[in-house]
Amino acid sequence: DAGVIQSPRHEVTEMGQEVTLRCKPISGHNSLFWYRQTMMRGLELLIYFNNNVPIDDSGMPEDRFSAKMPNASFSTLKIQPSEPRDSAVYFCASSSRARSIYNEQFFGPGTRLTVL
Amino acid sequence: TQLLEQSPQFLSIQEGENLTVYCNSSSVFSSLQWYRQEPGEGPVLLVTVVTGGEVKKLKRLTFQFGDARKDSSLHITAAQPGDTGLYLCAGVGLGAGSYQLTFGKGTKLSVIP
Repeated sequence: DAGVIQSPRHEVTEMGQEVTLRCKPISGHNSLFWYRQTMMRGLELLIYFNNNVPIDDSGMPEDRFSAKMPNASFSTLKIQPSEPRDSAVYFCASSSRARSIYNEQFFGPGTRLTVL
Repeated sequence: TQLLEQSPQFLSIQEGENLTVYCNSSSVFSSLQWYRQEPGEGPVLLVTVVTGGEVKKLKRLTFQFGDARKDSSLHITAAQPGDTGLYLCAGVGLGAGSYQLTFGKGTKLSVIP
């Protein structure tokens, strides 16, 4: 079975440019999460979708960040305009049991973003 | 805001040694998870402990959930080079917040052959 697929794996861009990260969750999973991982702050939840609907976006840093999930098999995280402090590894994760005490989440390989 | 403190942050040991990693919080969680992350990859779930005082074993790894469901530990017996990686604990939120995982910053383990 294919796991969570993310693209691109690496992205290097200049400050002010728009960046779009893509995610394909595991088929049949109804919950999708976007996380950001840095050395300083560890793994932080950015946004949580359930059945394609954004439920909790309180972790989105500011208006420069937006996320969409147009259907059950695709999600995007967009940063516009990007800034050097956005440099991090961005993970997408999906789950079929997000609303249970077991809440097993399956992570993609991540996108390493560098903003110069 | 719920926080999970992991210690130690870094650990370098010789093959065959034992080690323990700790995960502590002042908050109660509905369950506690441990993930392992290798360079260039996403975290992979190792175990979920649910009941206060619960102990789970996975080969040479022993996981324990504190009685008050606020802390946990991971003990590795006779560490192998293949155990090298970043170990993350994550608390699962209570009730309607169960979708939310609060992660510790991780323990980076290096096992030297």
